[in-house]
Amino acid sequence: AQSVTQLGSHVSVSEGALVLLRCNYSSSVPPYLFWYVQYPNQGLQLLLKYTSAATLVKGINGFEAEFKKSETSFHLTKPSAHMSDAAEYFCAVTSFGNEKLTFGTGTRLTIIP
Amino acid sequence: DAGVIQSPRHEVTEMGQEVTLRCKPISGHDYLFWYRQTMMRGLELLIYFNNNVPIDDSGMPEDRFSAKMPNASFSTLKIQPSEPRDSAVYFCASSKGLAGYDNEQFFGPGTRLTVL
Repeated sequence: AQSVTQLGSHVSVSEGALVLLRCNYSSSVPPYLFWYVQYPNQGLQLLLKYTSAATLVKGINGFEAEFKKSETSFHLTKPSAHMSDAAEYFCAVTSFGNEKLTFGTGTRLTIIP
Repeated sequence: DAGVIQSPRHEVTEMGQEVTLRCKPISGHDYLFWYRQTMMRGLELLIYFNNNVPIDDSGMPEDRFSAKMPNASFSTLKIQPSEPRDSAVYFCASSKGLAGYDNEQFFGPGTRLTVL
C-alpha cells in the first residue's frame, strides 16, 4: 500500500518569505508523486509531478519540489511567498500502472502581509 | 474546453432525503473519479469508471451510496437515504488514462453537501 504524510496541517509564512511544505511518502515500488493546490471553493489543480525523471521538478506559479529517495520525501518550496499562494496544498502518490492517486490530508498555507 | 462540470455546487437537504450529484467529465477523457473531502478524513476516492464501466467501488462507504455512468459525458453519485455524516464536499475528476501512466486528473469545482 502507498501513502503520503504531510507534516503540518497549517503553515503560515510572511509575504516574500520562503514557503516549505513537507511531504513524506511510503511506497514499496518506485513512486510517482504529485502536488495539487486547492483555492477556496475550487477543485484541485496540478502544481507539479515527479514521474522518475529529473529529481528536481518545477511547476506552475514558481513552485518546485525535490524527490529525495533516501529521505522518502517530496517537499514543496517557493523562494518568495505571494498573497495569491494562500490555499490548501495536497501531496499525492501513485506508481507506474496504478489507477489511483492516494492523497495526503493537506496543508493549509496562510500568507501574512 | 469548459473543464469538469459538477452540479449542483451546493446542496442542503434533510436527513433521509435522496441526493443526486452530477458530473460532466472533459470530453475525450476515459476515466472518471468520484472523491469525498472531509475535515476528518481528507480526500477519499469513492469509485472510478473506465469507459463508463465501474472499475473499483471499494471506497464507497456503504450501500446508501451508488454511482452510475450511463454515457461518456455524464455520471451521477446518489445517496439514499442521506445522513448528517454524509456532509462533505464531493469532487468529480476525469483523466485520459491512469495516474500511473502519467495522466493528470482534472478536478471539478465540487459539490458542497449539507445534510441536516
